[in-house]
Amino acid sequence: DTEVTQTPKHLVMGMTNKKSLKCEQHMGHRAMYWYKQKAKKPPELMFVYSYEKLSINESVPSRFSPECPNSSLLNLHLHALQPEDSALYLCASSQGGTDTGELFFGEGSRLTVL
Amino acid sequence: GEDVEQSLFLSVREGDSSVINCTYTDSSSTYLYWYKQEPGAGLQLLTYIFSNMDMKQDQRLTVLLNKKDKHLSLRIADTQTGDSAIYFCAPKAPGTALIFGKGTTLSVSS
Repeated sequence: DTEVTQTPKHLVMGMTNKKSLKCEQHMGHRAMYWYKQKAKKPPELMFVYSYEKLSINESVPSRFSPECPNSSLLNLHLHALQPEDSALYLCASSQGGTDTGELFFGEGSRLTVL
Repeated sequence: GEDVEQSLFLSVREGDSSVINCTYTDSSSTYLYWYKQEPGAGLQLLTYIFSNMDMKQDQRLTVLLNKKDKHLSLRIADTQTGDSAIYFCAPKAPGTALIFGKGTTLSVSS
């Protein structure tokens, strides 16, 4: 299994809603990442978990809350988002820690905030 | 921090070669990656080169690295319509996260 699976593929939420994005991999990778991608822009790193510990937080607003329940799962909890948070949210994983740039990406969750 | 520049758009005809260029600023980058993103999809690692190499060939893909000028290029031979996508250059320095260039949109016409 060489896949990173993200759910849901599409999510529409209001600014007062609470929702979560989920990411799963069964490749035994020990680093997992959240990236945010706006249209016609490169992915921007949000968070990195290495060996289930948060190792990088790129000054992301607290309305985004990551969680890594175990080495195979990564969640992104969303609360009180703004319309400008609408984007494609990409999850990725890498073998070992974060020293490698060989990332495996999921297909993304497209989020629309109304 | 790292600054990565790419030309935004490239248009070629099917069967021609495509060359996508990238410049970066962090001379401590040890690995330099090329990722491909097809419409509506995530990113896929295409190839990479170690910083002590000048060239790497992988089937239709050739990566050239000029470390002195911090210039990286990706050549796709015999470009096909299925190669139409956005290509991201991503240098990686030790202890830092992967940073993507702005991406080059490759359009292949038949």
